[in-house]
Amino acid sequence: GQNIDQPTEMTATEGAIVQINCTYQTSGFNGLFWYQQHAGEAPTFLSYNVLDGLEEKGRFSSFLSRSKGYSYLLLKELQMKDSASYLCAVMDSNYQLIWGAGTKLIIKP
Amino acid sequence: GAVVSQHPSWVICKSGTSVKIECRSLDFQATTMFWYRQFPKQSLMLMATSNEGSKATYEQGVEKDKFLINHASLTLSTLTVTSAHPEDSSFYICSARGRGTGVESEQYFGPGTRLTVT
Repeated sequence: GQNIDQPTEMTATEGAIVQINCTYQTSGFNGLFWYQQHAGEAPTFLSYNVLDGLEEKGRFSSFLSRSKGYSYLLLKELQMKDSASYLCAVMDSNYQLIWGAGTKLIIKP
Repeated sequence: GAVVSQHPSWVICKSGTSVKIECRSLDFQATTMFWYRQFPKQSLMLMATSNEGSKATYEQGVEKDKFLINHASLTLSTLTVTSAHPEDSSFYICSARGRGTGVESEQYFGPGTRLTVT
């Protein structure tokens, strides 16, 4: 079956760095997405990786290793507004998004 | 970036009534639209995928006669929850995808509709 694993919850300190991991097993691979979702709101797009390596976008970076079925989202200079759930999703061979359960990130002052 | 709107943003209805939720892509043509449901503290659960002009494809366990989806145009899809019951209370989110593959296949999400059935 298809499976996306990511930690349920993480806690970090304002101003610090946090890495949220995601491992996947899917039928085919057409890219991996990271979305941010604040409570009670719809997800918003953060990043897309289809090739191995690191994609940097401001304070957020996303890494992909297709051979390992692994990705991480790196958040630097954490701010209180970064408290949210972070969803990892993989697009399979049918261009269907397979969603992880999300990682709730709690930022403490 | 692309914008997807959803209406209404929240709705309260009585058990046994039907509710229609609209999803519109405002500045692009959405060849595919997705309907998700999300219960508190859980991840998104895909309910169905609809392509413009064709019948929706429902995920296993989702009743197609209860959740009616119509994708009549490239900018509008509707989800009708028929004979709603309290267990249908949830956060319903639509997303839309335009043409192309790769990063162009990014899904743009609507703001969601919170349905409460009393």
